[in-house]
This record gives sequence, C-alpha cells and structure tokens, in this order.
Amino acid sequence: DAGVTQSPTHLIKTRGQQVTLRCSPKSGHDTVSWYQQALGQGPQFIFQYYEEEERQRGNFPDRFSGHQFPNYSSELNVNALLLGDSALYLCASSLVRANLDTGELFFGEGSRLTVL
Amino acid sequence: GQQVMQIPQYQHVQEGEDFTTYCNSSTTLSNIQWYKQRPGGHPVFLIQLVKSGEVKKQKRLTFQFGEAKKNSSLHITATQTTDVGTYFCAGRNDMRFGAGTRLTVKP
Repeated sequence: DAGVTQSPTHLIKTRGQQVTLRCSPKSGHDTVSWYQQALGQGPQFIFQYYEEEERQRGNFPDRFSGHQFPNYSSELNVNALLLGDSALYLCASSLVRANLDTGELFFGEGSRLTVL
Repeated sequence: GQQVMQIPQYQHVQEGEDFTTYCNSSTTLSNIQWYKQRPGGHPVFLIQLVKSGEVKKQKRLTFQFGEAKKNSSLHITATQTTDVGTYFCAGRNDMRFGAGTRLTVKP
C-alpha cells in the first residue's frame, strides 16, 4: 500500500522563476492538502483539493495555485518565486466521509525548495 | 480566523522526566489532532480528540481535550530518547497547525 509520494525531493530555483511540485495521495484517498513549512516553524496551510476543485484556502497569495487530477494526484505551482518561498512543501492526503474531511492526514516526505 | 497557539516553544528534559505541551485556540474546535515530526521527517498522526473533556491514552502519552473544546494538552510520562521531535496540534476545522513544541531529551 503506497503512502503519499512527492516529487521532486529537492530543488533549487532563482527569484522570479516558477516551480511545480507533485503529489500522489495514499491509495484510497481522495483529498489532497498542501502545506508550507519554513525551518523551525509549523506547517502553514496553503490549500486543499477535493473532486478536482479547491475546497479550502489558507492565507497565501495568488502566486500559489494548484490542480487536482481525476486520479486524485495533485500539483502545486508557485509563480514569481521569492526568497521567502524557500521551505519544505508538504502534501497530505485524507479521505472525505459524508462530505466532511476531518480524518487523519497522511503526509509525504516533502519537497524542499530553495530559492536563490 | 482560527488561531492555534502552542506552548512552550521548546522543552528540554532529562530522560525519565515528564513532558507536557499545551494547545489553545481562540475559537471552539470541532476536533483536534496531534502530530509528531521527528528531526528531518514529516508530521505523523498521533491521535484525534472530538468530544468535550475527552481523555485518550497511548502507552506513555495522555491526550486531553478541554471542556470548552478550546484547549488541549499532550502529556508524556517518563520521557525516552525516542520521544525527541516536534509535537504539533492541529485544529481540523480549517486545517491550521500550531507552531509546535520541540522536545529534546538528554540521556
């Protein structure tokens, strides 16, 4: 039973560039959430996708966008990268029951982005 | 929006001592979850609390949910070096995590 997989594991970009991060949820899960975790900080919620639509969004600018595909996998895109975007980006999957997503979050290992 | 605050930010204990971290919300939570993140790792789910005043135990770990469902605590009895990591609470209403309590254990 595959857990949550993310790619790439590490990447380096320069300011102004764009990046795409990918996530495959745990088998049987239909909901994907993205978090940004700066060094020494807690995970900050970016957004959540369910049924290929953005279901909830945290306090992140429009430079952060996402997509969910029919197979439930997801992408996070960040445009016009800033130095402050350097962080570990975590993907978490879960399962919606009775239209409520309140269950356990399964996290991937993350994609560590460095912006120079 | 909902704010989830955690204290303390850091805790250093001698192996065998107890440890407690507290989580406080500005609003009522429908449920609260606790996660542990080992150094260099990713958050791993520990437990979910739903009912007012709920207490759950996992071996040496005791989790409590306040009567008003605005606060929660995690208590570890007789810490071991394997308990090292950062403990996060998360209000599942809107997916927000606390800043975490980083626990270090001296053998």
